[in-house]
Amino acid sequence: GQQVMQIPQYQHVQEGEDFTTYCNSSTTLSNIQWYKQRPGGHPVFLIQLVKSGEVKKQKRLTFQFGEAKKNSSLHITATQTTDVGTYFCAGTDSNYQLIWGAGTKLIIKP
Amino acid sequence: GAGVSQSPSNKVTEKGKDVELRCDPISGHTALYWYRQSLGQGLEFLIYFQGNSAPDKSGLPSDRFSAERTGGSVSTLTIQRTQQEDSAVYLCASSLRGNSVPYTDTQYFGPGTRLTVL
Repeated sequence: GQQVMQIPQYQHVQEGEDFTTYCNSSTTLSNIQWYKQRPGGHPVFLIQLVKSGEVKKQKRLTFQFGEAKKNSSLHITATQTTDVGTYFCAGTDSNYQLIWGAGTKLIIKP
Repeated sequence: GAGVSQSPSNKVTEKGKDVELRCDPISGHTALYWYRQSLGQGLEFLIYFQGNSAPDKSGLPSDRFSAERTGGSVSTLTIQRTQQEDSAVYLCASSLRGNSVPYTDTQYFGPGTRLTVL
């Protein structure tokens, strides 16, 4: 079936370093959403991208949707302890199915 | 208004027993989703209700799993003859209109039910 591959599975960073997670779909997506799940919590919506090549920013977070609408990335600049959690992408395909990536866990090294 | 609520928050059961998990979506939301999340893992889609349409059951892992949504509001996920591998957090989410193009509505998640099968 259709899949959205999300990498890496884990990323360990020092506080202040940057973090990036990538999602790649085998098919064209109509849109892609990003969610954040804090440890012990539930996923919370961050943003949705719809247009080819779209870039959106939320403070230190930058979200991109590829030109072919098959890939997306989330980049966090200068990570803080509040950024800890798992980041999920979820894309809607042409059959109106929402396909979730497996998530990237951001871990801040002590 | 109130968010998505789920009950119970924790459920411990013995292998072979049936369990029912409840989800109260946000009022007015026509779409409702159930997911399963094992410890440290991603979200496993189970079932999707959209208005009066037939539910998308493609994610249910076996015929021991079933769900219904009464009156377009409250949903119950039932697991029959529970097995130890069913242990996980079961998350419910609702959205205003569900999956769509070009925009898919934001999903609002409940706190989940942690199911432990002994």
